[in-house]
Amino acid sequence: SQKIEQNSEALNIQEGKTATLTCNYTNYSPAYLQWYRQDPGRGPVFLLLIRENEKEKRKERLKVTFDTTLKQSLFHITASQPADSATYLCALDPWAGNNRKLIWGLGTSLGVNP
Amino acid sequence: DVKVTQSSRYLVKRTGEKVFLECVQDMDHENMFWYRQDPGLGLRLIYFSYDVKMKEKGDIPEGYSVSREKKERFSLILESASTNQTSMYLCASTASRANQPQHFGDGTRLSIL
Repeated sequence: SQKIEQNSEALNIQEGKTATLTCNYTNYSPAYLQWYRQDPGRGPVFLLLIRENEKEKRKERLKVTFDTTLKQSLFHITASQPADSATYLCALDPWAGNNRKLIWGLGTSLGVNP
Repeated sequence: DVKVTQSSRYLVKRTGEKVFLECVQDMDHENMFWYRQDPGLGLRLIYFSYDVKMKEKGDIPEGYSVSREKKERFSLILESASTNQTSMYLCASTASRANQPQHFGDGTRLSIL
């Protein structure tokens, strides 16, 4: 079956370190992959999108890589801060149509300790 | 900035009641979605709509219906609420062209007693 997996264990790191979150998928050839941040009790907020023909995308302290051979995306937060503590979700768009349904991972909880 | 507004942040209803959750977006997006989110199960798609009066079932449509009479508004209806429908409900919208993110509301925490 089609599946998308993220680190199920919460990730706790020290402030200033780089956080690396993983998103693996099977049985897809996604056109692109998206990363979202979700704070407790709030809706997800879009962070970054990377296309299948892009290896890497950056936005300020965020970096996303996309390896279609490994079927994996890595999400990095450099110089992490306590305010980065949240759940991070990855999502694939596997559809050729225009309805833009996404397949979602369960998310990885990140805690950044001061 | 896109704004997706859900009518209530918290709602408490009784078993058997008909419940309406409303969602409005202000960016003229073609696509709108209703999800529920439960611990350990992630985001699960209930229904989506890609145009006015058009709807398609998502992964868990049983016990729900939807209505899209205007482009900016997408309503989720629990026909006869049950305790297993206690959940966080999230509405999202997106433009229909490729490479567009989904924009979410802040969710409705629904409790069915």
